[in-house]
Amino acid sequence: GIQVEQSPPDLILQEGANSTLRCNFSDSVNNLQWFHQNPWGQLINLFYIPSGTKQNGRLSATTVATERYSLLYISSSQTTDSGVYFCAVARTGGGNKLTFGTGTQLKVEL
Amino acid sequence: GAVVSQHPSRVICKSGTSVKIECRSLDFQATTMFWYRQFPKQSLMLMATSNEGSKATYEQGVEKDKFLINHASLTLSTLTVTSAHPEDSSFYICSARDGGLPEAFFGQGTRLTVV
Repeated sequence: GIQVEQSPPDLILQEGANSTLRCNFSDSVNNLQWFHQNPWGQLINLFYIPSGTKQNGRLSATTVATERYSLLYISSSQTTDSGVYFCAVARTGGGNKLTFGTGTQLKVEL
Repeated sequence: GAVVSQHPSRVICKSGTSVKIECRSLDFQATTMFWYRQFPKQSLMLMATSNEGSKATYEQGVEKDKFLINHASLTLSTLTVTSAHPEDSSFYICSARDGGLPEAFFGQGTRLTVV
């Protein structure tokens, strides 16, 4: 099956700092989504981004499908950004089944 | 975005009993829903694909007789954990897509504890 690796696995930031999270995948995809999992387990949709660049407030994402990676940028981080960030991909021809990455645990401190 | 509701959010059951978890799409119809399991500090692992009106498709290594899936309508899929044991304790979460739209949305998840 498709492999999805995220880096870094853990990240600690001071409030106000910027960060870049990376997602590498091993096959061509027709779906890529970024999620934030809050402390209660809820997955919050951040971006649907199989290719290109999108921005939503302090967050932006870029996917370079031909090179099989995606980046999530968090600017001016806040304590409420803490949690686990997952990317998930659906392999082209794989029936829309999402395979989740290994996750990045983010902690933003005051 | 589309809303997916999951119930219950938390359940504790005795070893040997069965537990049913519901996943509903509130404002759209979903011919396909997906069930995932997440152990502490780990990623989400796909268990099965729930297809409305037909049998579910299970991922390799997932026992279909233990994890019964029923998708009887376009807005409801259920996962029943039969004869639950402590090793079945986990976070179960469902997802659904709104028809032809590609983005998947997730329920709130169900934390199952088997004692």
